[in-house]
Amino acid sequence: DSGVTQTPKHLITATGQRVTLRCSPRSGDLSVYWYQQSLDQGLQFLIQYYNGEERAKGNILERFSAQQFPDLHSELNLSSLELGDSALYFCASSIQVNTEAFFGQGTRLTVV
Amino acid sequence: DQQVKQNSPSLSVQEGRISILNCDYTNSMFDYFLWYKKYPAEGPTFLISISSIKDKNEDGRFTVFLNKSAKHLSLHIVPSQPGDSAVYFCAAKGQGAQKLVFGQGTRLTINP
Repeated sequence: DSGVTQTPKHLITATGQRVTLRCSPRSGDLSVYWYQQSLDQGLQFLIQYYNGEERAKGNILERFSAQQFPDLHSELNLSSLELGDSALYFCASSIQVNTEAFFGQGTRLTVV
Repeated sequence: DQQVKQNSPSLSVQEGRISILNCDYTNSMFDYFLWYKKYPAEGPTFLISISSIKDKNEDGRFTVFLNKSAKHLSLHIVPSQPGDSAVYFCAAKGQGAQKLVFGQGTRLTINP
């Protein structure tokens, strides 16, 4: 158990819908990262927050947004969902930006 | 633009032998490298890391070697055990960079 909690574990939704994925980082970790893993692909960096502020953006679509709340949990919002958004979405956290990141178990999103 | 490449999608090794997983990178600004292991339906688990000021780091059965001139790193597992069967991801980050850049992963299978 990495200490990073992601909910829900599975999500099935229809095209055009909006979903919210939630992540609780390890206790004490200030940095939260979101990654997307599509079928048989590597992990693609989406976005990173540090202590409530956005620090880095990767290949995140405009239909996607995220935020980190004062209690340090983070949410990833995906809207106008398309079939191609079906993927595993991982959240990771770390104490500082230059330490290893610990990953949650992921949310498997299926868009039908 | 694949800055971190794992050119072998899969590797099969006999139990007790050495497993060698390879990773190449193109960005000379990367100075911190990590290996993660991933089982199905779980998030990636941190395994071992190495800073660019070193050329070797060892942790039990796992050793990571870094060849900066060749922009190449490798993970050695010896002896290999059935529980090592998983997908292994190589990741890298640059100084001050917020994100980890991941390779595509190598599926390691340890045969009894």
